[in-house]
Amino acid sequence: EDQVTQSPEALRLQEGESSSLNCSYTVSGLRGLFWYRQDPGKGPEFLFTLYSAGEEKEKERLKATLTKKESFLHITAPKPEDSATYLCAVSGNQFYFGTGTSLTVIP
Amino acid sequence: DTEVTQTPKHLVMGMTNKKSLKCEQHMGHRAMYWYKQKAKKPPELMFVYSYEKLSINESVPSRFSPECPNSSLLNLHLHALQPEDSALYLCASRLPPEQGRHLNTEAFFGQGTRLTVV
Repeated sequence: EDQVTQSPEALRLQEGESSSLNCSYTVSGLRGLFWYRQDPGKGPEFLFTLYSAGEEKEKERLKATLTKKESFLHITAPKPEDSATYLCAVSGNQFYFGTGTSLTVIP
Repeated sequence: DTEVTQTPKHLVMGMTNKKSLKCEQHMGHRAMYWYKQKAKKPPELMFVYSYEKLSINESVPSRFSPECPNSSLLNLHLHALQPEDSALYLCASRLPPEQGRHLNTEAFFGQGTRLTVV
């Protein structure tokens, strides 16, 4: 059965304290892994698409990586404006969201 | 332009009302989606339209009725809703997974309609 699990559920960081969010997946025939950022009451904002193991994408303080079983979203020197829920989604036969990681960056 | 526009942004309706949510995109995406999201939960898929035809209905109650009048528009008609249907309703679009195409592209989401049923 296809599954997507994100950890941790919640993460509090001091400003400048780097960390990583995890997305583990079991999908028959992965056809794409996607990272989104979601602010409260807003729609998910697209960040990255990854297709194959070893692939990496970067945008400002964020870097996404992919292995055969999981993806990481690395946040380097986060700022308070990076506070949001980060959602991972995988596309196999259907489009599945993980449960998300709620990130709080404290000034 | 990666914009998906949803209207209205907020909607309060009684349990006997009929209302509609609207979604519009001009990216040429032929796959469009409705999701429902409750607080602190991930989006849950409701309906998928591919080339203006309903391709997936995730066992959604009949009080929700989707419609795709053309390749740019997606509607969700609401009737006789229950208070537990209160949620953020999200529309998304992307290029449809095409036969023989191995990789899927990202979906772009609208800002949602915050629905409250009283």
